[in-house]
Amino acid sequence: EVQVVESGGGLVKPGGSLRLSCAASGFTFSGYTMNWVRQAPGKGLEWVSKISSGSGYIYYADSGKGRFTTSRDNAKNSLYLQMNSLRAEDTAVYFCALSTTAPNDYGLDVWGQGTTVTVSS
Amino acid sequence: QSALTQPASVSGSPGQSITISCTGTSSDVGGYNFVSWYQQHPGKAPKLMIYDVTKRPSGVSNRFSGSKSGNTASLTISGLQAEDEADYYCSSYTDSNTLIFGGGTKLTVL
Repeated sequence: EVQVVESGGGLVKPGGSLRLSCAASGFTFSGYTMNWVRQAPGKGLEWVSKISSGSGYIYYADSGKGRFTTSRDNAKNSLYLQMNSLRAEDTAVYFCALSTTAPNDYGLDVWGQGTTVTVSS
Repeated sequence: QSALTQPASVSGSPGQSITISCTGTSSDVGGYNFVSWYQQHPGKAPKLMIYDVTKRPSGVSNRFSGSKSGNTASLTISGLQAEDEADYYCSSYTDSNTLIFGGGTKLTVL
């Protein structure tokens, strides 16, 4: 079964850091672009970042540029999101997601259950 | 970049059809045939319903269909059922090689 499971969320103070992880199973992780999407409480979905299969390209939404770093370890079938200088507005459920809808990869058909990040003093 | 524009809410009775619009710009919706639609029930992860404007993933009911004209994409749900009540989000590829989502539409089945 194709599956991704996020972890690493928690409560952090403004200005603090957190590293989220996403463990993949049931598919060839190294062959897919991976995405992070977040959802603030009671709000809509917001795309955060994506990383290509070989880490050759990484893109970020403006909200995370300079503060967030996306990386992956294909040997460990894992995706990461390092978040620094966290703000209250970063409070959200963070989802790991990917597209298996070849040949294009913009329809995200595999999602994890999400991990909750709360930024508060 | 601002979110794609969706109506905050739509409603319909069982058996009816409804359409949700998603308006962007020539830099996203209008420039590429890479619009997707997601269904999200409370407390759940989003589920892909439509991708590449008109394609349905395996297992998604053919009551769901997508289209696009200019900078506006649309999701139509026919034969409305109680279980269709959920939040719906559109998304599009952008010319910055990123994705952008709509603000979401709450569908109420009366």
